[in-house]
Amino acid sequence: AQRVTQPEKLLSVFKGAPVELKCNYSYSGSPELFWYVQYSRQRLQLLLRHISRESIKGFTADLNKGETSFHLKKPFAQEEDSAMYYCALSGGGTSYGKLTFGQGTILTVHP
Amino acid sequence: DTGVSQDPRHKITKRGQNVTFRCDPISEHNRLYWYRQTLGQGPEFLTYFQNEAQLEKSRLLSDRFSAERPKGSFSTLEIQRTEQGDSAMYLCASTYLGQGNYGYTFGSGTRLTVV
Repeated sequence: AQRVTQPEKLLSVFKGAPVELKCNYSYSGSPELFWYVQYSRQRLQLLLRHISRESIKGFTADLNKGETSFHLKKPFAQEEDSAMYYCALSGGGTSYGKLTFGQGTILTVHP
Repeated sequence: DTGVSQDPRHKITKRGQNVTFRCDPISEHNRLYWYRQTLGQGPEFLTYFQNEAQLEKSRLLSDRFSAERPKGSFSTLEIQRTEQGDSAMYLCASTYLGQGNYGYTFGSGTRLTVV
């Protein structure tokens, strides 16, 4: 069974501070990991995926298979980063393409 | 093509009534997914189609739920004899197999309230 855990439901930081949103997963094979973001009154959208190893809007995430984690980081948070963030996992085989989401973390960046 | 469209945006229904939701995916996408999201939770997988074939259904999908994707285009999700526990946001997403999971595009969702 695959599972995604986001231990923090709420995270508050001040503008310019570093931010880290935690994500741990459970999966027996080689998963694909993603971060999705939902800004206020907007639809869920892909932020980044681990296989691309890219930085989007200043966010990065590294897959740590030893710790089964995929934490999302940004060195200097901005007010426009305030949103709901979901970590998601896709397995292989017949589960390929089907996403398992974490419960989400609401990030609030204060001015 | 403006993305994935879902209709209606909101639906209020009395317990015991049937409801049907529609999802229009991005036209060239061959995979279509339905998720359900309740307050304070992440989206939960319900079912998905590749073209017109329904390939997997979650055990969350009781026999009161049925989904179709005729001709591999739009999809409908019907809930029969609605219960208060069915109140949730129903999300549709589409992608093109071959892009892996990169091209996953979500709709805005249909919010169902069962009273």
